[in-house]
Amino acid sequence: DAKTTQPPSMDCAEGRAANLPCNHSTISGNEYVYWYRQIHSQGPQYIIHGLKNNETNEMASLIITEDRKSSTLILPHATLRDTAVYYCIVRENSGNTPLVFGKGTRLSVIA
Amino acid sequence: DVKVTQSSRYLVKRTGEKVFLECVQDMDHENMFWYRQDPGLGLRLIYFSYDVKMKEKGDIPEGYSVSREKKERFSLILESASTNQTSMYLCASRSRGFGYFGPGTRLTVT
Repeated sequence: DAKTTQPPSMDCAEGRAANLPCNHSTISGNEYVYWYRQIHSQGPQYIIHGLKNNETNEMASLIITEDRKSSTLILPHATLRDTAVYYCIVRENSGNTPLVFGKGTRLSVIA
Repeated sequence: DVKVTQSSRYLVKRTGEKVFLECVQDMDHENMFWYRQDPGLGLRLIYFSYDVKMKEKGDIPEGYSVSREKKERFSLILESASTNQTSMYLCASRSRGFGYFGPGTRLTVT
């Protein structure tokens, strides 16, 4: 079973920031938070990951709470092409354990 | 760029046929995975492999087998295809950390 909880769906106006929450209250000390997204009819695409510090790359920012029990993925200026299902996953960085996907959040960016 | 390629984007097979889905990655990754994705059920892990000739069952291995003779290639085999195996099949590879997915194969079994 997935170790994360996400809202099933969210809407966001084009050009505004999209803030996608994720709860992972049972995360262990050596587990990272990963975010992927899946645009319709494509394979999932890696976005960003972090351990405890906030992270930013060209796609998004990841804010992790101090207790690491929740995080937020931020798309700073959402576009219509960001419409997708977003998955939050926790796992260790090493080892052979596979990625376990939950149901994710379906983000709809509206013009 | 990392590439994970799958042999077909769309495939139509008949019930009872033996079906091979091929996945190839070009990044020398140790770990490779097969998932299937169905509406309302999300991505479910079928099999994975962490080395050549090694395989591990995922959550739904029944009706499937896999083969990994070379590091870059991971094949999913449906020994006798059934209509309930109609699905989107996704392959992924990973060395450490995050993984890369292929574009998927939409298989229809009639």
